[in-house]
Amino acid sequence: DVKVTQSSRYLVKRTGEKVFLECVQDMDHENMFWYRQDPGLGLRLIYFSYDVKMKEKGDIPEGYSVSREKKERFSLILESASTNQTSMYLCASSYGLAGIHPYNEQFFGPGTRLTVL
Amino acid sequence: AQSVTQLDSHVSVSEGTPVLLRCNYSSSYSPSLFWYVQHPNKGLQLLLKYTSAATLVKGINGFEAEFKKSETSFHLTKPSAHMSDAAEYFCVVSDQGNKLTFGGGTRVLVKP
Repeated sequence: DVKVTQSSRYLVKRTGEKVFLECVQDMDHENMFWYRQDPGLGLRLIYFSYDVKMKEKGDIPEGYSVSREKKERFSLILESASTNQTSMYLCASSYGLAGIHPYNEQFFGPGTRLTVL
Repeated sequence: AQSVTQLDSHVSVSEGTPVLLRCNYSSSYSPSLFWYVQHPNKGLQLLLKYTSAATLVKGINGFEAEFKKSETSFHLTKPSAHMSDAAEYFCVVSDQGNKLTFGGGTRVLVKP
C-alpha cells in the first residue's frame, strides 16, 4: 500500500515563528503536493513538485515556501507564521507524467492541524 | 481553467435510504473526475474515478457516479446509506496533467 506520512498530527505555534511541516512517501512517486483545507473551501493547492529540487506555485503560495532535497520528502515552510495560516495541511503524492500514468490519482497523508496563536 | 461546484454543503439521510451528492464541473479539456471521501481525523481516500472510459463508474463501498458531459455533472450516488458513510465528500477535476481542483466538500450525516 502507498503510504504518505506527515511529521505531526497537531501543531501549535506562535505568530512570527518559523514552521516546518514534513511529508514522506514510500512509493517512489515523482509528484508531491501541499494543500491547505479550510471549511467550505475544500482543498487548495499551495505548492507542488515534479521532481527533486523542482517546485511550482499552486493557487495560494503566498506566505509559504517548500523544499524537496530527496525524492521521498517534501517540506512546507512557513517563514513567519500568522494567525490566518491556522488550518489543516495535507500532503499528497502521485505517479509522474500524465501521459504515462494518466489517472492522476493522488494519495494523501493524514494531515497536520496547525494552530497559530 | 477548471472548477468544481458541489451543490450541497450538507446532506442528511436516514440509514438505508439513497444518497445523492451533486457535483458540476467546468473544464476546457476532456477532464478526469474523482470523488474522494474524508472520515473524521483521517486523510482523503479515493472512492472512484472517471477517465473517459465508461460513463457510469463504480467505486468502493457501493458508491457509483455517472459522468454526463451535456450537463457537466458527475453526481455520486449510493442506493442504501450506512452509518459508516458519515464523512465529508469531495468532487475533484483534473484537466491539466497532475493538478487537481477540489470542490468545497459535502458533509454527509446519516441518521439511525
